[in-house]
Amino acid sequence: DTEVTQTPKHLVMGMTNKKSLKCEQHMGHRAMYWYKQKAKKPPELMFVYSYEKLSINESVPSRFSPECPNSSLLNLHLHALQPEDSALYLCASSQGQDSLAKNIQYFGAGTRLSVL
Amino acid sequence: GQNIDQPTEMTATEGAIVQINCTYQTSGFNGLFWYQQHAGEAPTFLSYNVLDGLEEKGRFSSFLSRSKGYSYLLLKELQMKDSASYLCAVFMTTDSWGKLQFGAGTQVVVTP
Repeated sequence: DTEVTQTPKHLVMGMTNKKSLKCEQHMGHRAMYWYKQKAKKPPELMFVYSYEKLSINESVPSRFSPECPNSSLLNLHLHALQPEDSALYLCASSQGQDSLAKNIQYFGAGTRLSVL
Repeated sequence: GQNIDQPTEMTATEGAIVQINCTYQTSGFNGLFWYQQHAGEAPTFLSYNVLDGLEEKGRFSSFLSRSKGYSYLLLKELQMKDSASYLCAVFMTTDSWGKLQFGAGTQVVVTP
């Protein structure tokens, strides 16, 4: 089973709303990732959690706030977003970070976010 | 800086072979991955190379030359379902952490 589950699949929010994206995996993976992908562009890394600790923040604006409550769950809290934040948000997980084989990342289907 | 180049689009006929090239100039290089992404779907892992040479996985093969900063993905016996974007991604390590840097993707169109 290489499944990463993301909810919701679609989300429409206003610029004053607060919402959260959720990601779950039950593969025992210890590294989890958030990516942002605009249309016809590659995924851009936002955050990496390794063993439930934030290890990489790619200078993401504070209106995006990640949270890793446990080794299976990853959340992305959204507040005061801008229309240009509309994109596909992808979650991924991998076994770990300490070898290439362990860094094979498995992606969820994503949350398509529209900010009005 | 980091630079990963691959062609924007390639068209090939069903049953044919297509080779997607990827060149990179990155620091902290530690391996290269290939992912397939169908429109509106998640990227799915195809293969990775850490050492120079060819890795074969069924109809898909990937090659790496670290000294030349060059990789390719070879798709054989093309099928209509292979129409997708193919993403070259460099695995870079800095300090203790590693991350993937994706190229812009090559859209492969398979025609009957």
